[in-house]
Order: sequence, then structure tokens, then C-alpha cells
Amino acid sequence: GAGVSQSPSNKVTEKGKDVELRCDPISGHTALYWYRQSLGQGLEFLIYFQGNSAPDKSGLPSDRFSAERTGGSVSTLTIQRTQQEDSAVYLCASSSGPRQFFGPGTRLTVL
Amino acid sequence: EDQVTQSPEALRLQEGESSSLNCSYTVSGLRGLFWYRQDPGKGPEFLFTLYSAGEEKEKERLKATLTKKESFLHITAPKPEDSATYLCAVQVVKETSGSRLTFGEGTQLTVNP
Repeated sequence: GAGVSQSPSNKVTEKGKDVELRCDPISGHTALYWYRQSLGQGLEFLIYFQGNSAPDKSGLPSDRFSAERTGGSVSTLTIQRTQQEDSAVYLCASSSGPRQFFGPGTRLTVL
Repeated sequence: EDQVTQSPEALRLQEGESSSLNCSYTVSGLRGLFWYRQDPGKGPEFLFTLYSAGEEKEKERLKATLTKKESFLHITAPKPEDSATYLCAVQVVKETSGSRLTFGEGTQLTVNP
């Protein structure tokens, strides 16, 4: 079956521009997570969605970051006024239990 | 604060040379410890979940073990295709964050033919 998909796979943007990253989770998975992986660092939790509950935004690094999940399925991570330190790989994962299934990630480069 | 530390950062082995990767953790309320494999340009791929001290799981040349403070990923007679970054993550019991994972920085394994 289809796994988690993310788009775009690569995004190059200029400092100060807004970007949107998309995640399509595995069908039927109620939980969806966003993580960020910076060069030489481990994965860092950003935000968590579970069904219709309010998301856990405790990992978002600043108010320039936001995310939404429409219809309990597709999620979009938005970064406003991008900065060079936002350059990283953004990974999405979904789950229906303890095990999380990851997408291939979006590599964001801010020039 | 939950912490996960992996060692070594990088490991080079000859094909057939067995070794172990370490993951030490400091958490409150461990729900599970996860091992993932990550190839360049790809997302992490699930390997194992361990839930209690003393538990062991095996898959092909890999065996994961768990104590109250650390986990080991043993690689027996590795092959070049085992080259990847191995990530350890802990899942803790938190009311608001569901099953969020806290990751270590990974061990980059290279197996030379």
C-alpha cells in the first residue's frame, strides 16, 4: 500500500519568503507528526495532530511556523518570513499505534 | 528533560566485522524505545520497538536489546548494504503530545567490502 508522501521533495527559497510543505499520511492513520532534521542533528519534534483534538504545538520553534490538518488527512506546514536557520529536512510521520511511518521528507534551503 | 544519546557518532567496519551501537536515555515514563534506519535522502525506516528491560528483538543481522538505561543494536557479520544512519528514539507518556518521539543524533555506519 501507499506510504506517507511529502511534497515538494526539494524547495529552494529566498530569505523572507513564505513556504508551504505538504504531507499526505497513510490512509486511516489518525495521528500525524512533523519533525525537523537539521544537518548533523537528530530529528526535532515540531507538532502533533490526533484526530479532531487540538494539536500539540509545543515543538514549534517560533510563531513563524504553523501547521494545519484538513479533514483529518492532509497536513500543511507553513513557514512565514523564512530565515537561513530554517534550512533543514522536514519530515512527516503518521501512525495508528505506537509505530510511526515516515515520509521521504522535504529538503528546504533558504538562501 | 528527556535525553537520548547515541554513540559512537560514526563507525566504520569491514564486511563481516561484528559490533554494537549504543543508545543511552534519560526519560520519565518510558513507553517504548525505537530503532530506525535512515538512508541518505530518505525518511527513517522502522526496525524495532522495545518496551521493557530485558527484551530482545532480532531481524536478519540485527539484534536490539534494552536495559533500564540503555539499548544496544548489535550487528553481526555486517554487509555493505547495512551502511546507513541508525537512529534511536524514545517514546514517553505525556498527556498532550501523544506518542511523540525524542531522537538521538544517530550513528552513521559504514561497512566496507
